[in-house]
Amino acid sequence: GIQVEQSPPDLILQEGANSTLRCNFSDSVNNLQWFHQNPWGQLINLFYIPSGTKQNGRLSATTVATERYSLLYISSSQTTDSGVYFCAVDYNQGGKLIFGQGTELSVKP
Amino acid sequence: EADIYQTPRYLVIGTGKKITLECSQTMGHDKMYWYQQDPGMELHLIHYSYGVNSTEKGDLSSESTVSRIRTEHFPLTLESARPSHTSQYLCASSTGTTYGYTFGSGTRLTVV
Repeated sequence: GIQVEQSPPDLILQEGANSTLRCNFSDSVNNLQWFHQNPWGQLINLFYIPSGTKQNGRLSATTVATERYSLLYISSSQTTDSGVYFCAVDYNQGGKLIFGQGTELSVKP
Repeated sequence: EADIYQTPRYLVIGTGKKITLECSQTMGHDKMYWYQQDPGMELHLIHYSYGVNSTEKGDLSSESTVSRIRTEHFPLTLESARPSHTSQYLCASSTGTTYGYTFGSGTRLTVV
C-alpha cells in the first residue's frame, strides 16, 4: 500500500521562528490534507491541497504531486501552534485517509 | 452550528463489558469514518460508511462493529472490551473527494 512519511519527527522552536514540515508519499494520490492535532487531541483540518500552493494567515502549504511531496510552512510561530501536524492522503477518492506518523512541534515562549 | 459530536469524551471500563461510542454529525455528510489512534502514533482507519445501511471495514483490523441506520449517526460498539482496546477513537465525516473533512473530539477509552 501507499506509504506516507513525515519529517522531522520532532521540532522545537522559539516563538517567532519559522519552520518547514515535509510529507513524502510513495504513489499518486487524489487528495492530500494537513491536520493539526492540539494537545487535547482535537484534529483540525488546515489544508486540502492535492496540488499547488495555498495560504491561510501564517500557514501555507505546497504540494508537488509529480514529485510526491508536500510542504507545510509555519511563519512567526506562536505557542498555540504547538501540537502534532499530520499529513494524510486519499489514493482512491473514497475519503479513506492514510496518515503519516506526524511531526510533533513544540513552540517555546 | 454544523459540527460532529462524540460521547463520551473519556471512558474507563472493566474487561468484558459491552460499550458503544457515539458519533453524530449535523452537516448532512454521507461519508463517515472511525479512526483509532494509540498515544503518540498516527491514525488508522477501522470503519467507514458511504451512506445509510453501508458499512465497511478499514485498513486496520478491529474487533469493533459499526452501524449506520441514520445519516447523522454512526455508533461504534465493542461487545466485550479488553485491555488491548485501550486507545483513542476518532470519528470523522466528509463531503467526499473535495474539502470538508471534519473530526470529532474523540473518545479516550481505557479498559482495565
